[in-house]
Amino acid sequence: QKEVEQNSGPLSVPEGAIASLNCTYSDRGSQSFFWYRQYSGKSPELIMFIYSNGDKEDGRFTAQLNKASQYVSLLIRDSQPSDSATYLCAVHSAGANNLFFGTGTRLTVIP
Amino acid sequence: ETGVTQTPRHLVMGMTNKKSLKCEQHLGHNAMYWYKQSAKKPLELMFVYSLEERVENNSVPSRFSPECPNSSHLFLHLHTLQPEDSALYLCASRPKTRGWGMNTEAFFGQGTRLTVV
Repeated sequence: QKEVEQNSGPLSVPEGAIASLNCTYSDRGSQSFFWYRQYSGKSPELIMFIYSNGDKEDGRFTAQLNKASQYVSLLIRDSQPSDSATYLCAVHSAGANNLFFGTGTRLTVIP
Repeated sequence: ETGVTQTPRHLVMGMTNKKSLKCEQHLGHNAMYWYKQSAKKPLELMFVYSLEERVENNSVPSRFSPECPNSSHLFLHLHTLQPEDSALYLCASRPKTRGWGMNTEAFFGQGTRLTVV
């Protein structure tokens, strides 16, 4: 059973549209949730983290968490071509030393 | 730049070679990690060092041997690798806390692209 699942994509959206990236996780004890962005040939970089149910906004990015449904999402408003990358969902459970990563969703923003 | 430096960036090695990957950070972090990233697979945790002590080893084959001489440096020694070991190897560091709470994000190095021929 996969710990963290993401649709691998590719997800294509036109410039200026909202991109919606989704992630589900299997461990109900998970407490911390992270979204990383990885450009081709580069290392992952943190975009957002969220711990509480609901929405968390940071600029054009909004993370949404629903622990009952074991679901976390990332919305990117006013998508730009520079947002084209692979987005990795990562989940941490209390007491664990590890972050569990999904396979990532490849996003392409079309000019 | 994240403050985590990995060398070399690219490595091609034969199955009988011995090589080492190096990771260095001067962020004051005291937990360091090796991850393996293969195509179409999630990032896989290989080793965790906390305060220079190995705290996790996820059933990694013995042909991978980590070394953490101090909190700023982490090595991954490679010997008699197989072609399926070809992947991107990522080092990460973070401050050691009780959990992955606020301000405890992992900072990744640029990775070493390893090809085993």
